[in-house]
Amino acid sequence: DGGITQSPKYLFRKEGQNVTLSCEQNLNHDAMYWYRQDPGQGLRLIYYSQIVNDFQKGDIAEGYSVSREKKESFPLTVTSAQKNPTAFYLCASSLGGNTEAFFGQGTRLTVV
Amino acid sequence: GIQVEQSPPDLILQEGANSTLRCNFSDSVNNLQWFHQNPWGQLINLFYIPSGTKQNGRLSATTVATERYSLLYISSSQTTDSGVYFCASPSGNTGKLIFGQGTTLQVKP
Repeated sequence: DGGITQSPKYLFRKEGQNVTLSCEQNLNHDAMYWYRQDPGQGLRLIYYSQIVNDFQKGDIAEGYSVSREKKESFPLTVTSAQKNPTAFYLCASSLGGNTEAFFGQGTRLTVV
Repeated sequence: GIQVEQSPPDLILQEGANSTLRCNFSDSVNNLQWFHQNPWGQLINLFYIPSGTKQNGRLSATTVATERYSLLYISSSQTTDSGVYFCASPSGNTGKLIFGQGTTLQVKP
């Protein structure tokens, strides 16, 4: 099945830990995106990548890092510098430009 | 950058009723998407509609780009239509989506 797979579905992090969220797509899309959603809010862009080995900061990049070594994969690391990481994280991909974007099922991160 | 506003913020309907959700955007757009976020959080694509009207079953959408708004129509609502509806438009030409705050719909049996 073609689609975007995020893992894990639920993730618990201790204070001071780095954690990595996985996002894989088999849609042959060039562009990939990470969004954060807080309760009762819309989505805000963390990072995006339009091509392999290149990525740009979004609106709320502080405390996060990404890599794009393969077209299919765009992992997001939530570092200990992110002061309020508890949120729902959604990964998306598209053909690029302003074409239609598709989303994964999300990862719910909780700091314990 | 572009701003996206949705109305109403909350909507409660009786099953079988019709509804209209609105999305206003502050600048001209060349793409607009409507999504339904289900209770598990997944964003389901409803429409990709830069302009004109599209229909998919009980749902239809109209975007009037020159007047900077889009409407989502839900007819004969069902309890499974409950959830949050988002519209989103890209900022610039990179595909970065700017989301509205959403409309929370509750359909009662």
